[in-house]
Amino acid sequence: DSGVTQTPKHLITATGQRVTLRCSPRSGDLSVYWYQQSLDQGLQFLIQYYNGEERAKGNILERFSAQQFPDLHSELNLSSLELGDSALYFCASSVAPGPSYGYTFGSGTRLTVV
Amino acid sequence: EDQVTQSPEALRLQEGESSSLNCSYTVSGLRGLFWYRQDPGKGPEFLFTLYSAGEEKEKERLKATLTKKESFLHITAPKPEDSATYLCAALETSGSRLTFGEGTQLTVNP
Repeated sequence: DSGVTQTPKHLITATGQRVTLRCSPRSGDLSVYWYQQSLDQGLQFLIQYYNGEERAKGNILERFSAQQFPDLHSELNLSSLELGDSALYFCASSVAPGPSYGYTFGSGTRLTVV
Repeated sequence: EDQVTQSPEALRLQEGESSSLNCSYTVSGLRGLFWYRQDPGKGPEFLFTLYSAGEEKEKERLKATLTKKESFLHITAPKPEDSATYLCAALETSGSRLTFGEGTQLTVNP
């Protein structure tokens, strides 16, 4: 157990729907990062939050949004889902604003869009 | 734009057959080079961080080294339980996140 908790582990939904993925960072970590991992692509950075504020944005689609709450958990919202959104979504956390010492990853949410 | 390239994409070894994985990076200034291990359907697990050229780190059968352009992950006398995808990632000096390569899928046959 890495200490980073992601729920749900699996999600199957239809095209056009909206889902919310949840992440609780490791105790003491203030930064949360979201990554997408598809079969044909490596880990693609989506977005980072630090202590409730958006800090960096990567290749995140406009249909996707995220936030970090006062208790530091984060949610990734995916809307108007398409088949191509099927992927593993990982959350990672670090104590500092930047990952100088690396991240700790959760076990991921596997999203299947049918 | 930061780039991280790993080779080979896939590697099959016999148990006990040593080899190396390569990670080349293009960043304007490297703050750290990270290695992770990922098992199927699971999150990446941290292995090493290297900060400067010439640095080496070891853990059991794995040794990571760093030069100014690339990093190597040497696997000595691998066992089947070493089978996994190995990811490297670079952190740029002014960067706020890790940029990952696409990984090397290692299979060690008994």
